[in-house]
Amino acid sequence: GAGVSQSPRYKVTKRGQDVALRCDPISGHVSLYWYRQALGQGPEFLTYFNYEAQQDKSGLPNDRFSAERPEGSISTLTIQRTEQRDSAMYRCASSSLGTGTGGWEQYFGPGTRLTVT
Amino acid sequence: TQLLEQSPQFLSIQEGENLTVYCNSSSVFSSLQWYRQEPGEGPVLLVTVVTGGEVKKLKRLTFQFGDARKDSSLHITAAQPGDTGLYLCAGSYNFNKFYFGSGTKLNVKP
Repeated sequence: GAGVSQSPRYKVTKRGQDVALRCDPISGHVSLYWYRQALGQGPEFLTYFNYEAQQDKSGLPNDRFSAERPEGSISTLTIQRTEQRDSAMYRCASSSLGTGTGGWEQYFGPGTRLTVT
Repeated sequence: TQLLEQSPQFLSIQEGENLTVYCNSSSVFSSLQWYRQEPGEGPVLLVTVVTGGEVKKLKRLTFQFGDARKDSSLHITAAQPGDTGLYLCAGSYNFNKFYFGSGTKLNVKP
């Protein structure tokens, strides 16, 4: 079946522009996560949703970053007034379970490479 | 400051050698996961451990969760070039939000 997809795969934008990154999770997956990953480093948590509800947004760096998942499926991460320090790989992951037990798996998407010039 | 410290950062070995990588924290986790990530790809889950002292085996890979649930190790027996990649550990307090370590970059030379 189809895995997690993200679009665009690459985005180059000028400083000050807004960008919207899209994540299409595996069909039926309850939880959706956004991470930012620097080259050669582990993913850094940004935010996550169960269904359409944003459960935790403590990892969003500042108020220029926001995320939504209005129908509990596709999610959009929006960065307003982009800055060069926002350049990174942004990864989305989904999992089939919501709160509760361990042993579940996060399936990661291929990521969106954002470059702010 | 990283919540999870992984060591070593880099490891380059010959095919057939054994190796162990470590994931350490001062925090107690409810669960800990290990992932492998290949260049240009997203991380792929290898294992989840939830019980202190738990040992899980996946072919040539052996994972151990520390008794106090603060640390974990991954041991690879007879490493192969296909094992090359970035190995990441990720801990969670509540099975929802995961904190990733900075990873161990493994290179297995043929």
